[in-house]
Amino acid sequence: TQLLEQSPQFLSIQEGENLTVYCNSSSVFSSLQWYRQEPGEGPVLLVTVVTGGEVKKLKRLTFQFGDARKDSSLHITAAQPGDTGLYLCAGAGEETSGSRLTFGEGTQLTVNP
Amino acid sequence: NAGVTQTPKFRVLKTGQSMTLLCAQDMNHEYMYWYRQDPGMGLRLIHYSVGEGTTAKGEVPDGYNVSRLKKQNFLLGLESAAPSQTSVYFCASRRPQGAVNTEAFFGQGTRLTVV
Repeated sequence: TQLLEQSPQFLSIQEGENLTVYCNSSSVFSSLQWYRQEPGEGPVLLVTVVTGGEVKKLKRLTFQFGDARKDSSLHITAAQPGDTGLYLCAGAGEETSGSRLTFGEGTQLTVNP
Repeated sequence: NAGVTQTPKFRVLKTGQSMTLLCAQDMNHEYMYWYRQDPGMGLRLIHYSVGEGTTAKGEVPDGYNVSRLKKQNFLLGLESAAPSQTSVYFCASRRPQGAVNTEAFFGQGTRLTVV
């Protein structure tokens, strides 16, 4: 069983603050993805990281894949109320050739104006 | 574009009843997944399929069965529903690892209540 542990589970911050969400596992992943989910909707992809040590930036969001491909982080700079949502990391298991896609428990982010 | 379509969107079952959730995708994706989402627990993988006629167990397969008779459809069955199966169920599909785009596309979810 591949477990992806996300922290923190809940995060409430003020507009303009920075934050980091972590996604950790003891398993190695072929790739790791970050999704964002709004209430009543399915998750929507933000980014995919494939190479150990890879860093990707998406406007104010920075994603990093750990060197050993077991962990990842999501950093948001100057958070805005529109960033509010459930952030989920998902790993494609290396031992299943990337077919098995496992999600973390999620981080519920609330950005207050 | 339809993407991933789940039916039904809502359902209330009595304990012991059976039902089938249908997932259809029109993107010609090889991989398909069924997840359940409970408060504070993210998405838990029930079963998944890497192609027509193949299925595999996920993290929480007990009490569920699946079938993938056609590439575009993935069915999730509950043979004897239990209150513990009250949840929101999501279906997803994606291309295999190594493809240019491996984004998982999700349906809108099915909210199931077992009383």
